[in-house]
Amino acid sequence: GAGVSQTPSNKVTEKGKYVELRCDPISGHTALYWYRQSLGQGPEFLIYFQGTGAADDSGLPNDRFFAVRPEGSVSTLKIQRTERGDSAVYLCASSPDRVSNEQFFGPGTRLTVL
Amino acid sequence: AQKVTQAQTEISVVEKEDVTLDCVYETRDTTYYLFWYKQPPSGELVFLIRRNSFDEQNEISGRYSWNFQKSTSSFNFTITASQVVDSAVYFCALSEAGGGSEKLVFGKGTKLTVNP
Repeated sequence: GAGVSQTPSNKVTEKGKYVELRCDPISGHTALYWYRQSLGQGPEFLIYFQGTGAADDSGLPNDRFFAVRPEGSVSTLKIQRTERGDSAVYLCASSPDRVSNEQFFGPGTRLTVL
Repeated sequence: AQKVTQAQTEISVVEKEDVTLDCVYETRDTTYYLFWYKQPPSGELVFLIRRNSFDEQNEISGRYSWNFQKSTSSFNFTITASQVVDSAVYFCALSEAGGGSEKLVFGKGTKLTVNP
């Protein structure tokens, strides 16, 4: 079956612009996670959705970052007034449910802010 | 706070050598999960294994084996008879269990290069 997909695969933007990154989880997976991976580092947690609601957004770095999952499937990570420090690979993962805990990762979106 | 330390930044071996990747973790939870993920040059994280904190039995899967020791808070990963295709960055990760989001806390990764 299809895995987690993310679009676009690459996004180049200018400082101060607004960007949206999309994640399409594995069908039927209720848990969805966003992580950010900077060069040479491990992924860092941003936000977790269980169904439509953001159950844990403790990893969002500031209020320029926001994510939604309106129908409990596709999720969009939104970044306002982008800064050069936002440049990273943004990873999405889904899981059948919170309890099972095994997370399946997408290929990521590489965001470059010039 | 949860923390995962992978002290080896880079390891280089010759094909067919055995190699062990170290992972040390910190957590105040009594119930937690430990993971290993592989990130090949293509970039996509590939799940390798999950262990829960109550199961210290070592596990073997083909050329891969894992040694979990709660006494030393370690969860080491050994590749036997390494192959060039094993070249990747390997991440150890930790999550709490029950009540929380079970987000993964990753180490910084160990880059393994297997030379022919």
